[in-house]
Amino acid sequence: GQSLEQPSEVTAVEGAIVQINCTYQTSGFYGLSWYQQHDGGAPTFLSYNALDGLEETGRFSSFLSRSDSYGYLLLQELQMKDSASYFCAVWGSQGNLIFGKGTKLSVKP
Amino acid sequence: DSGVTQTPKHLITATGQRVTLRCSPRSGDLSVYWYQQSLDQGLQFLIQYYNGEERAKGNILERFSAQQFPDLHSELNLSSLELGDSALYFCASSVQGDNEQFFGPGTRLTVL
Repeated sequence: GQSLEQPSEVTAVEGAIVQINCTYQTSGFYGLSWYQQHDGGAPTFLSYNALDGLEETGRFSSFLSRSDSYGYLLLQELQMKDSASYFCAVWGSQGNLIFGKGTKLSVKP
Repeated sequence: DSGVTQTPKHLITATGQRVTLRCSPRSGDLSVYWYQQSLDQGLQFLIQYYNGEERAKGNILERFSAQQFPDLHSELNLSSLELGDSALYFCASSVQGDNEQFFGPGTRLTVL
């Protein structure tokens, strides 16, 4: 089966950098995705990593190490609007996404 | 706006009842996914359809069923509802083989 572990909560201040870690166990690996969800809103796609290394998209970056079954999402120059839940997800063998329980990020002024 | 629509936005019903949630995917997307999100829980994958055919099944209860119609919209049917079925139900769609799923705004189901 598949499982993902990520911290339940993280707090940081505006302008800072925060890293949200995700470790996964999966019988077959097809990629690690990250989604953002504001309270009461729909999840929105942030990034996808299939190969080892860092992918950068503006203030957000995502890293993957397949040998360690580990990835992280890095958020730089934090803004108040970044307060949300962040989910890592792996692709299952049937082509569906398996989500972690999410990390609630609170950005303080 | 993701381009995925879901109706209704809110639904309040009683235990034992049956409801139908509706989803229209983005234009051109053949894959539709259903997820359940309970309070403080992650997104639990329920079921996936691709071009009318069931493609993958997750933690979907036998009381729940879904289908995708020829026009690609999908419906999720929940029957013999229990209090624990109260949750946000999301539909998502994607292009086959694409890594990004686009989520609808969700249907908030409350079972009293």
